[in-house]
Amino acid sequence: GDSVTQTEGLVTLTEGLPVMLNCTYQSTYSPFLFWYVQHLNEAPKLLLKSFTDNKRPEHQGFHATLHKSSSSFHLQKSSAQLSDSALYYCALSDATNAYKVIFGKGTHLHVLP
Amino acid sequence: EAGVTQSPRYAVLQEGQAVSFWCDPISGHDTLYWYQQPRDQGPQLLVYFRDEAVIDNSQLPSDRFSAVRPKGTNSTLKIQSAKQGDTATYLCASSGDSGNTLYFGEGSRLIVV
Repeated sequence: GDSVTQTEGLVTLTEGLPVMLNCTYQSTYSPFLFWYVQHLNEAPKLLLKSFTDNKRPEHQGFHATLHKSSSSFHLQKSSAQLSDSALYYCALSDATNAYKVIFGKGTHLHVLP
Repeated sequence: EAGVTQSPRYAVLQEGQAVSFWCDPISGHDTLYWYQQPRDQGPQLLVYFRDEAVIDNSQLPSDRFSAVRPKGTNSTLKIQSAKQGDTATYLCASSGDSGNTLYFGEGSRLIVV
């Protein structure tokens, strides 16, 4: 079945440094990938999602590229901000059941001043 | 536009007690999800509906958990005979677009002692 793997439980870095959070997936069919962000005591919110036409989604300075060859959808940002500290979840659905969305375990990003 | 509303926000039970969680999705959203989010883990899909129909409840512990959405709008998730392992936040989400964007409520946090 489909699955999502986020290898890092915690990423700590200093403000201004680049961010990369890893996400790999397994899917038998054409996947749709998502990144959700959850700030402390808030609900998860969509950050960005993959496009079917291979465009690179971007939002709030974050971007991610779907690489089907490596089954990856890593989240990147050129310069971390203190307000980026949050939990980040990679999620997946596929073309056979587009409404069934499964989540990875999440990566906690902690940005230090 | 009102977001997804959940109640109660918190519940503390002793093992063996029952609890019901209620969810009011965004108006017009035909798909409704219940996720279980244990502490420090990603959301895990329990069940989802399209209108009033259950589409997938394969991850719902059927012996103690039940979920309904009788009129295709609000939904109730019930846990009977709660166990300590049920301690988690129960997230409701709804979706109304073909892009599978999930809109989450703030969650109902359950502690079973």
